[in-house]
Amino acid sequence: EAQVTQNPRYLITVTGKKLTVTCSQNMNHEYMSWYRQDPGLGLRQIYYSMNVEVTDKGDVPEGYKVSRKEKRNFPLILESPSPNQTSLYFCASSRSGRAQGEQFFGPGTRLTVL
Amino acid sequence: GEDVEQSLFLSVREGDSSVINCTYTDSSSTYLYWYKQEPGAGLQLLTYIFSNMDMKQDQRLTVLLNKKDKHLSLRIADTQTGDSAIYFCAESQVTGGGNKLTFGTGTQLKVEL
Repeated sequence: EAQVTQNPRYLITVTGKKLTVTCSQNMNHEYMSWYRQDPGLGLRQIYYSMNVEVTDKGDVPEGYKVSRKEKRNFPLILESPSPNQTSLYFCASSRSGRAQGEQFFGPGTRLTVL
Repeated sequence: GEDVEQSLFLSVREGDSSVINCTYTDSSSTYLYWYKQEPGAGLQLLTYIFSNMDMKQDQRLTVLLNKKDKHLSLRIADTQTGDSAIYFCAESQVTGGGNKLTFGTGTQLKVEL
């Protein structure tokens, strides 16, 4: 089944404790991105990747890092989480970043930073 | 810059039609999307429309696009309780930032019996 998976689905952590949210897709997609969803703000792009080893900042990249060592995986790293990073996070992928087309979303990761 | 706006809430009775509205600002958008998010779930693509179209119908869903006014709407006919969800419109641009989606704030649809 074609899908985007994220782990964990739920995470409660404390300020400053490094964490990684994994994202994996099995559709051989080139383009992957991370969004965060906050009430009244919709979804905002954090980082995106056009292909392996090619990543760049989205609209709200502060406090986040990403890597793209393999085509299928695009982990989101919070080196020192803060309470304002409490949010619902979505990973998405699409066939190409150079052409418009459907983006497939993961199920979301709900993160709480105390 | 890009900006997509939606009203936050809509309440309808079961069996009535729902109309969810969206305005966008980027006239270069060539794809416009409607996503549905059920409680605790991810985003499900409902439908999309090319910017050279005025209307697209898909079963109970009708999308209308007024490019001059940059206005997009989603009509759900015969609304059912299972349609209760948050609906996001999104515009797509292929820029230096790749295939980026800019989302509206989402409209929470509540269907009452």
